Amino acid sequence: KQEVTQIPAALSVPEGENLVLNCSFTDSAIYNLQWFRQDPGKGLTSLLLIQSSQREQTSGRLNASLDKSSGRSTLYIAASQPGDSATYLCAVRPLEYGNKLVFGAGTILRVKS
Amino acid sequence: ETGVTQSPTHLIKTRGQQVTLRCSSQSGHNTVSWYQQALGQGPQFIFQYYREEENGRGNFPPRFSGLQFPNYSSELNVNALELDDSALYLCASSLYTFQGTDTQYFGPGTRLTVL
Repeated sequence: KQEVTQIPAALSVPEGENLVLNCSFTDSAIYNLQWFRQDPGKGLTSLLLIQSSQREQTSGRLNASLDKSSGRSTLYIAASQPGDSATYLCAVRPLEYGNKLVFGAGTILRVKS
Repeated sequence: ETGVTQSPTHLIKTRGQQVTLRCSSQSGHNTVSWYQQALGQGPQFIFQYYREEENGRGNFPPRFSGLQFPNYSSELNVNALELDDSALYLCASSLYTFQGTDTQYFGPGTRLTVL
């Protein structure tokens, strides 16, 4: 059974700091891994999707890496801003029929001004 | 903002009642998935519909059921509501590919409270 773990559960940093969020998964048989952002009480916004054959993806100040063999991914946020405050969720798509995503519990990020 | 919409935004029901939640997919998408997100947790997969047929189901009892219509919109029905059904219900649409290259686009969710 695929399980996804995110560390830390919560993080508070001063504005301008670079930070790393961690995600680990137990089964390397995945199609892809996706990072989402969720604002309080809202839906999910996709940030980055990494296919299983890829090592990393970048979008603006965000960079996500994937090491499928070790079951790890990191989301790097450069020069953090108060507007980055949100919950960040990691999800993998297992290699089984269907299109379900298996999510971690998320990391709550607070960027202080 | 994605093209996925959900209704209603909020809903309050009492234990034992039935509820129907609705989702309108993004244009061009043929797959809808439903997730339940309890407070402080990640979303849990309920089921998925592809071309109007159930295409995978998570660990949820049969009182959770769904439909997908020819226009690819979808409903989630929950019978005999329990207090633990209180959660944010998320709908996601995608264009299913066998290569697994599709991205799921999530709606804003429906907040269900069961009293």
